[in-house]
Amino acid sequence: RKEVEQDPGPFNVPEGATVAFNCTYSNSASQSFFWYRQDCRKEPKLLMSVYSSGNEDGRFTAQLNRASQYISLLIRDSKLSDSATYLCVVKSNYQLIWGAGTKLIIKP
Amino acid sequence: NAGVMQNPRHLVRRRGQEARLRCSPMKGHSHVYWYRQLPEEGLKFMVYLQKENIIDESGMPKERFSAEFPKEGPSILRIQQVVRGDSAAYFCASSPTARGETEAFFGQGTRLTVV
Repeated sequence: RKEVEQDPGPFNVPEGATVAFNCTYSNSASQSFFWYRQDCRKEPKLLMSVYSSGNEDGRFTAQLNRASQYISLLIRDSKLSDSATYLCVVKSNYQLIWGAGTKLIIKP
Repeated sequence: NAGVMQNPRHLVRRRGQEARLRCSPMKGHSHVYWYRQLPEEGLKFMVYLQKENIIDESGMPKERFSAEFPKEGPSILRIQQVVRGDSAAYFCASSPTARGETEAFFGQGTRLTVV
């Protein structure tokens, strides 16, 4: 079993819709959680950290469920520019463990 | 302030050759991290270096791979006797603080193709 698992997608979503991804992690002692965005053939960029109480940044909402060991990312009112691969990242024992990513395609 | 600079952006090597990947961290950053990303996979940590020191190389393959971050000049990831399975994108990131991966800035990566 992978340490961090994500549905690879692709998720094909019409512009303006709401889309959500989940990510599960295996190490219950994991300390911190993040969502990164990676455009095709580019470097990953930090989208947002994920806090225990859940947090929101504009159209993006991230949630953490420690009991079930998953984190989620919700994107509201999706834009064409949201098309990318979204990487779930978990920090365990000073190292970042990366999911393989969920590909999102926003269609006009 | 230039970001993290990696070169070359693309590198083609024949099997058995050596590949040298360079990473110049952001100004003021003395901590460098190297990652490898295989197609359709997430990034895999390889090595964490501070100036002149390897802090954590737990993700480095035991053979053919080495990394350095000299007092002067860029960090170098060296792969000797490359094989097809080394074909991947290699990303470097830098941070101003120790173990600052989550505050790190990434370079644009070097795409290595072994033919």
